[in-house]
Amino acid sequence: ELKVEQNPLFLSMQEGKNYTIYCNYSTTSDRLYWYRQDPGKSLESLFVLLSNGAVKQEGRLMASLDTKARLSTLHITAAVHDLSATYFCAVDLRGATNKLIFGTGTLLAVQP
Amino acid sequence: DSGVTQTPKHLITATGQRVTLRCSPRSGDLSVYWYQQSLDQGLQFLIQYYNGEERAKGNILERFSAQQFPDLHSELNLSSLELGDSALYFCASSVGGGLAAYNEQFFGPGTRLTVL
Repeated sequence: ELKVEQNPLFLSMQEGKNYTIYCNYSTTSDRLYWYRQDPGKSLESLFVLLSNGAVKQEGRLMASLDTKARLSTLHITAAVHDLSATYFCAVDLRGATNKLIFGTGTLLAVQP
Repeated sequence: DSGVTQTPKHLITATGQRVTLRCSPRSGDLSVYWYQQSLDQGLQFLIQYYNGEERAKGNILERFSAQQFPDLHSELNLSSLELGDSALYFCASSVGGGLAAYNEQFFGPGTRLTVL
């Protein structure tokens, strides 16, 4: 059974600092997604990573995928308070379905 | 706004009851997915329909069922409700349903179910 693990589960950081969220998964996949969720809200798509070595950047967030290591990272540069949210990675199993297996989520709190 | 709509936004009911959650996918999307989000289980895939047919099943209880109608909207039926069924239920949609390069899923606002 595919397992997707994120760490850390909780991240408290100061504005202006850099940090990385890690997403490890247990089976072969070359399709990985990052989502953001604000409290009580829906999931907002951030990045779609479709191949080994894929790197995507949007503002202060950058995501990468290493399919050989079965690892994706979400790097936060010079954090601002508006980035406070829960971040999920999700792996697409391919095949006859595109169901997503989600990681545990990382709650990011950026302190002013 | 993702273009996926879900009703109702909130639902409060009692144990043993039955409820129906409704989802309308984005225009042009053929696949609908249902996910459950709870504090103890996290985000879990329940079931997927593609163009009216069941495509995949996840950790969906036998008390739960779903269907996708000819107009592509979907309903998730939850019966004999228990306290532990309290959760946020999300619907997502995508253009395809598998065997494709990728199918980015767009999530609806969710239905918060509270079972008392």
